Amino acid sequence: AQSVTQLDSHVSVSEGTPVLLRCNYSSSYSPSLFWYVQHPNKGLQLLLKYTSAATLVKGINGFEAEFKKSETSFHLTKPSAHMSDAAEYFCVVSDLRDDKIIFGKGTRLHILP
Amino acid sequence: NAGVMQNPRHLVRRRGQEARLRCSPMKGHSHVYWYRQLPEEGLKFMVYLQKENIIDESGMPKERFSAEFPKEGPSILRIQQVVRGDSAAYFCASSVSGRTEAFFGQGTRLTVV
Repeated sequence: AQSVTQLDSHVSVSEGTPVLLRCNYSSSYSPSLFWYVQHPNKGLQLLLKYTSAATLVKGINGFEAEFKKSETSFHLTKPSAHMSDAAEYFCVVSDLRDDKIIFGKGTRLHILP
Repeated sequence: NAGVMQNPRHLVRRRGQEARLRCSPMKGHSHVYWYRQLPEEGLKFMVYLQKENIIDESGMPKERFSAEFPKEGPSILRIQQVVRGDSAAYFCASSVSGRTEAFFGQGTRLTVV
């Protein structure tokens, strides 16, 4: 069965500095990987997805993520943080065998002025 | 094509009452997922349904909770004899398949008083 681990429950960065949110996954089969963002009291929005095409995936709002099979990682990055990026971010995995979509526990991103 | 529609957005129930949460998936989507988000916690998988079938209910409490996705009409998450601990945000998502991204509704915020 697949699983996903988000290594940090909270990350704080200063505005204008790079963002790194870490995600490791476990999957017996070829996985699909996603990052979602949830702003306070809002629903979830898809940031980007990897489905076995290019390993570097670009998403909305300047975010991107790189699929590294050797490291079983799918870390989310952004070159320069903006105050509006403050939110909770979820890494998600699904695979061919099991249609169930599994969420990580989330990482809360804080942006310091 | 309207997004995933959940209603009601907010639901208040007294202890011991029943709560019925509705989710209308996006047009053409036959996969529905329910998640629960407790305050300060991540999204926890509850149940995964396809039309008229429960595929995986491993995340759903054995008692008082049930879910259905009939041939016609929305998916329903039903909580009988609610308790204070059921207070949470309940999110529904739908997808075309397990390999594609899931689209989320805005959630139903259940408060048990």
